[in-house]
Amino acid sequence: DGGITQSPKYLFRKEGQNVTLSCEQNLNHDAMYWYRQDPGQGLRLIYYSQIVNDFQKGDIAEGYSVSREKKESFPLTVTSAQKNPTAFYLCASKTTGTGGTGELFFGEGSRLTVL
Amino acid sequence: ILNVEQSPQSLHVQEGDSTNFTCSFPSSNFYALHWYRWETAKSPEALFVMTLNGDEKKKGRISATLNTKEGYSYLYIKGSQPEDSATYLCAFCNFNKFYFGSGTKLNVKP
Repeated sequence: DGGITQSPKYLFRKEGQNVTLSCEQNLNHDAMYWYRQDPGQGLRLIYYSQIVNDFQKGDIAEGYSVSREKKESFPLTVTSAQKNPTAFYLCASKTTGTGGTGELFFGEGSRLTVL
Repeated sequence: ILNVEQSPQSLHVQEGDSTNFTCSFPSSNFYALHWYRWETAKSPEALFVMTLNGDEKKKGRISATLNTKEGYSYLYIKGSQPEDSATYLCAFCNFNKFYFGSGTKLNVKP
């Protein structure tokens, strides 16, 4: 079945450690996104990529890094520079569509807890 | 960061009730307005993508309207069912970026 796979679902990290969240899609979508959710807040954009080997910072990119070496994959690294990394992370890809008409398809999310 | 607001934050209704929620967004630089349904332990799924002022979309008992000039969209659910229980998210699309509201959590009691 086509879809987006995020792993791991749950992750615990000690302070000062980097951690990488995986996002893989087999939908053949060009655009991919990483969002963060905190309690009581909407999804906030961390990074997005419109095409392979290209990505842009979102609104809360500090302390995060990404790569887009393959169309199918858009991993997110939460670095030790991220001051408050405990959150729920959602990855999405977008269908082709002009003027914002492309739909987002989401993974099931990864919950990161920093101990 | 663009501000997208949804109200109410949560809603408890009885099975068979009709209900509606609001999404407010900036009226400038509008590309599209999306609605997503997010059930517990699942991924958000697209309900509607709306682009034109005055747009009305319908899917079964759920419908949505769009007013881009005043910057709001309404989502209506007619005859709510327990399976409608979910968080409903709206997202304002500005070029290639999506700005989400914090959602309306709907609980439909049998």
